[in-house]
Amino acid sequence: GAVVSQHPSRVICKSGTSVKIECRSLDFQATTMFWYRQFPKQSLMLMATSNEGSKATYEQGVEKDKFLINHASLTLSTLTVTSAHPEDSSFYICSALPGLAGGGLYNEQFFGPGTRLTVL
Amino acid sequence: QQQVKQSPQSLIVQKGGISIINCAYENTAFDYFPWYQQFPGKGPALLIAIRPDVSEKKEGRFTISFNKSAKQFSLHIMDSQPGDSATYFCAASGWSGSARQLTFGSGTQLTVLP
Repeated sequence: GAVVSQHPSRVICKSGTSVKIECRSLDFQATTMFWYRQFPKQSLMLMATSNEGSKATYEQGVEKDKFLINHASLTLSTLTVTSAHPEDSSFYICSALPGLAGGGLYNEQFFGPGTRLTVL
Repeated sequence: QQQVKQSPQSLIVQKGGISIINCAYENTAFDYFPWYQQFPGKGPALLIAIRPDVSEKKEGRFTISFNKSAKQFSLHIMDSQPGDSATYFCAASGWSGSARQLTFGSGTQLTVLP
């Protein structure tokens, strides 16, 4: 159980285009989902926290107008990279937190397999 | 400070040896400490986790040692195998506003030689 999927797994796009990445919790409901970015040989950096039905909370330094997050249902969050540029090329990983809003009694985040974005 | 410091950055161990990765945290409000294993091109997967009221937790070949007073915790991999070669991240979980968040260490690239 506790499977999180991401789609697509890889995407290559031209500079200036927008790319949407989907994150789904397959067998549980997740009021809270997270989006991370990981550059090669580096750690995961939290970009934003997404709560179902409300606006995402972005970490300092993350442009909310560039990285649009929509958490429309308890099993789906999407990240749209708008007007992508080569510096946005990275590995984007989502995670989902089961349970009540904010995590409730649960601590464990379940991670998706990641999406490799390459902007030419 | 919401930092988690992890060392070493890389580790090479012979097959059958013990791999030890160390982490230290600053925020005493952290209340859950997981370790993640990540293979190239994949998302991180939970390996083992511990709460601060326990000093040690063992699951198979993996053991977490936790020192609350020193604000340090470590991962021990016994009988290391080539298949354990991956990047390992320690993390600390705590509340940030209205949601629980994970703060990750910088990662340790483990190579187990056959």
